[in-house]
Amino acid sequence: AQSVTQPDIHITVSEGASLELRCNYSYGATPYLFWYVQSPGQGLQLLLKYFSGDTLVQGIKGFEAEFKRSQSSFNLRKPSVHWSDAAEYFCAVGKPTYNNNDMRFGAGTRLTVKP
Amino acid sequence: DTGVSQDPRHKITKRGQNVTFRCDPISEHNRLYWYRQTLGQGPEFLTYFQNEAQLEKSRLLSDRFSAERPKGSFSTLEIQRTEQGDSAMYLCASSKHGRLARDNEQFFGPGTRLTVL
Repeated sequence: AQSVTQPDIHITVSEGASLELRCNYSYGATPYLFWYVQSPGQGLQLLLKYFSGDTLVQGIKGFEAEFKRSQSSFNLRKPSVHWSDAAEYFCAVGKPTYNNNDMRFGAGTRLTVKP
Repeated sequence: DTGVSQDPRHKITKRGQNVTFRCDPISEHNRLYWYRQTLGQGPEFLTYFQNEAQLEKSRLLSDRFSAERPKGSFSTLEIQRTEQGDSAMYLCASSKHGRLARDNEQFFGPGTRLTVL
């Protein structure tokens, strides 16, 4: 079965600084990869997803992620963080099957933005 | 389109009581998923429906849990004889079910936070 590791439980960055959130996955083939964001008391919102093709994926809110097969990683980046980016971020991996009903989430990384 | 909605948003109950949550998916979505999210963890898959058929249940879904989607639209998740360990956020998501899995993005509701005293 696939699995996801987010090594950083909590990250603090200053507003305007760059951000990188780490995600490592385990799966025997090329998986489907996702990044979601969750604000307090809210559901999850999809930031971006990777299925195939270009390994650099652009998402909403200025986020991007790069799929690196050799490192089994799918790290999320943003060049300049805004205070509104403070939230919990989840990486998820899905099987590239027709059903796509089996997504596994990481434990999340909580982002704090300092003024 | 109002997105996925869940009701109630918060529920506090005493141990041993039964609780029921409701999820209304996006109207044209024929797949509906339930997840549980405990503090400090990511969502864990519980079960999913395609139309009214419950196609998969996780081992996390004990006998005290039952989910239904009687008309293929809204769904309910019932927990009987609640335990303190059931305290969590219960998330619902819905998606289309097209030919390509890559097109079947799951849209999440705001969740129901359950506290069992």
